[in-house]
Formats: sequence, structure tokens, C-alpha cells
Amino acid sequence: DTEVTQTPKHLVMGMTNKKSLKCEQHMGHRAMYWYKQKAKKPPELMFVYSYEKLSINESVPSRFSPECPNSSLLNLHLHALQPEDSALYLCASSQEERRGGYTFGSGTRLTVV
Amino acid sequence: AQSVTQLGSHVSVSEGALVLLRCNYSSSVPPYLFWYVQYPNQGLQLLLKYTSAATLVKGINGFEAEFKKSETSFHLTKPSAHMSDAAEYFCAVTLTEAGNNRKLIWGLGTSLAVNP
Repeated sequence: DTEVTQTPKHLVMGMTNKKSLKCEQHMGHRAMYWYKQKAKKPPELMFVYSYEKLSINESVPSRFSPECPNSSLLNLHLHALQPEDSALYLCASSQEERRGGYTFGSGTRLTVV
Repeated sequence: AQSVTQLGSHVSVSEGALVLLRCNYSSSVPPYLFWYVQYPNQGLQLLLKYTSAATLVKGINGFEAEFKKSETSFHLTKPSAHMSDAAEYFCAVTLTEAGNNRKLIWGLGTSLAVNP
């Protein structure tokens, strides 16, 4: 299995809703990432988990809450989002060493209304 | 500090023509460099990577890139463009921070259009 699977593929939520994005990989990668991407822009790093521990939080607002239940799963909990949070949310995983490329999921297209 | 510059935010080529997408990097340590492709409404796919082995790196879909230390460049090429190559292309370099946290530093991307 060489894929990163993200669900759901599309999500529309109101500003008062709570929802979660899910990410799963079975490649044995010990680093997992959440990125936010706006159209025609490079992805922006949000969080990094290394060996199931949060190692990087790029000053992301608290309305985004990551969780890593085990080495294969990564969640992103969403609460009280703003319309400007509408974007493509990408999950990725990689081997720990610096030379490793990242494997990306196909993303969740989030629209906040 | 590591950084990546992609020259040309939009490149247009004819089908069958050479594709050349430019990437220059800045790095205080030997870099690890990557090219990713993103097709419309999809995630990012690794095309190829340079990890200090061969300087000419072959990737998927007929793409290749050459690492030139003297020019601090890692340009992406393909001899003959296909319509299916139309996509957004991102160059990236690995940054390792204190505490061994690792990030990718991204270029701004180049949108490739292929004309029939």
C-alpha cells in the first residue's frame, strides 16, 4: 500500500459546526503532516507529527486541532471555522530521513459557509 | 537559510515541444530537492528527487531534472510535452530545523499549459 487516504473528499460546513478530517497511511511512515492549500499556491504547513508526537505547529489558530491516535492515522478537528479557512487540506507522510519524499493524499476540499 | 525560486509562474508549450521548468535554490547545507506535480483537483505527486547521488535524476512520466551545484539549479525537463502534462508544478527543498524537525520549503509553483 503506497497511498495516503483522506476522507471526506469534499466538506461543506457552517461556521458553528464541528467536523473532522481523517488521514490514513500504511507505509510505515513515522512523520505525518497537515497542509492547507489555496488555489494556485504552494501548500502551507500546519502541523507535523513525528512518531505520534506533535513536533511542529506553525502558529495555526486553535479552531484547528490535530490528533494522531496511532502511527497510521491523523485527524484534523475543525470548530468554529471562518470562510477564509475554505481551502484544500492535504495530508502527507514521509520517512524520517531528510532525503525522503513526501506522499500526499488527494486532499479534502473544505468550504466554510 | 533554504529557499526556492521558480522562474516563470506560467509556461505554455505546444504538444510535442520541449518542457523546461526552472528552479533555483538557496541552501547552506547540501540540499535535498524535489519536484511535485499537482493535477486539477488532486493532491501533490512526487515526480522526482535529488538526494546527492546522480546529478541527473529521472522521474515518472518521462520527466528528468539535473542538479547543478555551480548554478544552484534543479530545472525540470521533458523532451516532448503531452496534453496530459498540463498541471501545476512545484519545486521544493528540505529544511532541517533545530531539534531535527524537517520541513519542505516550496517554490511558488509554475502552471504548465500544453497547446494542441
